Amino acid sequence: GENVEQHPSTLSVQEGDSAVIKCTYSDSASNYFPWYKQELGKRPQLIIDIRSNVGEKKDQRIAVTLNKTAKHFSLHITETQPEDSAVYFCAASQGGTSYDKVIFGPGTSLSVIP
Amino acid sequence: GAVVSQHPSWVICKSGTSVKIECRSLDFQATTMFWYRQFPKQSLMLMATSNEGSKATYEQGVEKDKFLINHASLTLSTLTVTSAHPEDSSFYICSASSILGKAFFGQGTRLTVV
Repeated sequence: GENVEQHPSTLSVQEGDSAVIKCTYSDSASNYFPWYKQELGKRPQLIIDIRSNVGEKKDQRIAVTLNKTAKHFSLHITETQPEDSAVYFCAASQGGTSYDKVIFGPGTSLSVIP
Repeated sequence: GAVVSQHPSWVICKSGTSVKIECRSLDFQATTMFWYRQFPKQSLMLMATSNEGSKATYEQGVEKDKFLINHASLTLSTLTVTSAHPEDSSFYICSASSILGKAFFGQGTRLTVV
């Protein structure tokens, strides 16, 4: 089955700096890669996603890149703000339909220092 | 995005009793839902895939007789933790995906077994 690894496990950045979180996946059949933000005690929230036919996607301060050959994908947050502090999970899914299970990486705890 | 509602938000039960958790998709039909378990400071671990009108598919290592899943309608899946023990204490969270595979999560249920 699919295995998703994520680095780093913790990340501290100064407000205004950029943060980068990297993930790898094992199953070459995976073709949908979402990223979730989870605040303490709350549900994960989808922040951005990318499909395998796209190499990069951007939404305001958040961008995701995908290297399907190397099975790597990364989350980039620019101009970080204290409210970006949370746990971020990358994930992978085959098919990317409502029937396909989503496997999560172990998570990165991001702290943005004011 | 789609709305997924989970109930209860938290529950305390005695060891040996059973607890039922409900997951509803409020504004869309979900033939497939997913159940995850999350221990403190850990990732979301997929427990099972709930299929409307058929048996659930359990991940390796998850006891199907202990974690009973019923998906009787297109908007409701239930997870029953049978004969709960303190080690079953965890955050249980369900998700349902849109037709494009975007997973939306319920608010989670914090189960404490005493």
